[in-house]
Amino acid sequence: EAGVVQSPRYKIIEKKQPVAFWCNPISGHNTLYWYRQNLGQGPELLIRYENEEAVDDSQLPKDRFSAERLKGVDSTLKIQPAELGDSAVYLCASSFEQGQRGYTFGSGTRLTVV
Amino acid sequence: DQQVKQNSPSLSVQEGRISILNCDYTNSMFDYFLWYKKYPAEGPTFLISISSIKDKNEDGRFTVFLNKSAKHLSLHIVPSQPGDSAVYFCAASTLNRDDKIIFGKGTRLHILP
Repeated sequence: EAGVVQSPRYKIIEKKQPVAFWCNPISGHNTLYWYRQNLGQGPELLIRYENEEAVDDSQLPKDRFSAERLKGVDSTLKIQPAELGDSAVYLCASSFEQGQRGYTFGSGTRLTVV
Repeated sequence: DQQVKQNSPSLSVQEGRISILNCDYTNSMFDYFLWYKKYPAEGPTFLISISSIKDKNEDGRFTVFLNKSAKHLSLHIVPSQPGDSAVYFCAASTLNRDDKIIFGKGTRLHILP
């Protein structure tokens, strides 16, 4: 079984530029999560989808961040414009349902804003 | 306000000995706890969990202990192996379907040869 696939693995951009991350969850997993992990910190939830519906986006900075999950499968997370403080690892995870057995995480995208 | 605290940023343990990673939480509504393991350049992987109705859960070399009155849990790894060197995240949630999982900052475990 393929795991959660994220791309790109690494991205370096200048501040004020846009950037997008892509996630393909495990087949059949209805719930998809985007987390951000700052250096030396644990992952923090940005947004959670149940199928194509964003059911928890309370931690998503909506002035510059947006996300979508078309057809309830793949998802993209976008930042426009990026700021220096957005440098972090962006993790996507999926689960069959609100995962109490633990999510399956992708390898993440490491974003560096210069 | 950190709801899940891992106060030891790092821990070094001799191979073959016991590794004990600690975690404290502040939210008394948490009733489900998880440990994740993370290697460099990879995403966290689920390791073991425990619900609040138990005080111990064992899976091979890994055992998680929960002390609800102290709001404390610990992960024991016995015996420690070189492949156990990683960052370990403690996480907590409630069994309410709408509640998110809150992660601690992690503890980096080094297994010494």
